[in-house]
Amino acid sequence: DAGVIQSPRHEVTEMGQEVTLRCKPISGHDYLFWYRQTMMRGLELLIYFNNNVPIDDSGMPEDRFSAKMPNASFSTLKIQPSEPRDSAVYFCASSSQGRDTQYFGPGTRLTVL
Amino acid sequence: QKEVEQNSGPLSVPEGAIASLNCTYSDRGSQSFFWYRQYSGKSPELIMFIYSNGDKEDGRFTAQLNKASQYVSLLIRDSQPSDSATYLCAVNSYNQGGKLIFGQGTELSVKP
Repeated sequence: DAGVIQSPRHEVTEMGQEVTLRCKPISGHDYLFWYRQTMMRGLELLIYFNNNVPIDDSGMPEDRFSAKMPNASFSTLKIQPSEPRDSAVYFCASSSQGRDTQYFGPGTRLTVL
Repeated sequence: QKEVEQNSGPLSVPEGAIASLNCTYSDRGSQSFFWYRQYSGKSPELIMFIYSNGDKEDGRFTAQLNKASQYVSLLIRDSQPSDSATYLCAVNSYNQGGKLIFGQGTELSVKP
């Protein structure tokens, strides 16, 4: 059974460019979470969805960040315009019924120059 | 006060010893508690979860929960160098609609 799939695994871009990160959750899971991890701030929850609907986006740092989940098997996290301080590892995770174990994808390492 | 607190470490133990990792949380409504292991450059992976007060054992790992003291711990018996990683404590509160709140993680180093 495939786990959470994320793409790309690595992204290097220049300041001001648009960045789109993609996630495919585990089939049958109805919760999807986007996290950001840095050495300074640890693992931070950005936003999560339940049945494709955003439930809590209080962790989204600013309007430059947006996330969508058009269907149960796909989600995107977009940063426009990107800034060097956005450099981090972005993880997607999914779970069933939200109160159960969250399974993480391999992450996308983003570097903004 | 942080919602979930862990000592950042590093915690260094000799091979074969017991490693003890601790975590405290602030929300008394917390219901579910998780320990994740994260190797350098990898994603967090679940080791154990615990819902009830007391101990839960799985192989070399034991999770301990004390809701009155708002304290959860992870014991690793017969520590191996392959256990060297960062261990993340996470707490789920029904009051927070399914969110997991993660601690900063404790770095464990097991010396051969």
